[in-house]
Amino acid sequence: DSGVTQTPKHLITATGQRVTLRCSPRSGDLSVYWYQQSLDQGLQFLIQYYNGEERAKGNILERFSAQQFPDLHSELNLSSLELGDSALYFCASSVGASGGLTDTQYFGPGTRLTVL
Amino acid sequence: GIQVEQSPPDLILQEGANSTLRCNFSDSVNNLQWFHQNPWGQLINLFYIPSGTKQNGRLSATTVATERYSLLYISSSQTTDSGVYFCAVGENFNKFYFGSGTKLNVKP
Repeated sequence: DSGVTQTPKHLITATGQRVTLRCSPRSGDLSVYWYQQSLDQGLQFLIQYYNGEERAKGNILERFSAQQFPDLHSELNLSSLELGDSALYFCASSVGASGGLTDTQYFGPGTRLTVL
Repeated sequence: GIQVEQSPPDLILQEGANSTLRCNFSDSVNNLQWFHQNPWGQLINLFYIPSGTKQNGRLSATTVATERYSLLYISSSQTTDSGVYFCAVGENFNKFYFGSGTKLNVKP
């Protein structure tokens, strides 16, 4: 158990809908990262937050947004969902802001999103 | 973006054997990491290694930045090493790219 929790574990929804994925980092970790893993695109880094502020942005679509709250949990919002958004969405956390530079990332179990 | 190629795509080993996984990348990088995804989908960050060599137990990694490749060595493999190994590279932590992975199956 990495100490990172993600909810829900599974989510099934329809095209055009909006969903929110939630991530709670390990106690004491200030950074949260979001990743997408799909059959078509493989693993992709989406976005990183550090202590409430956006720190780094990867291949995140404009239909997607994220935020980190004062209690350090994070939410990834996916809107106007398309079939291609079906994927496993991982959250990870680390102590510092450097990502892999000085801090090991601990991954949650993922949320499997299915868009029908 | 930076192109990342991992080889081999698939690897089958007998328990106790050693293996070398390779990651080639197309441009200079300041960020290179190795990850392991077990058969149940759990991801683990193994190494941050943009250059040089690091070791952690039976795993070690070497990156030769000037020649744009990194190697992950697994010694005395165990069935728990099975899964997919990913390499990810980037100019910095922003916008880094994953390879397609090496799927390892260690047989008892």
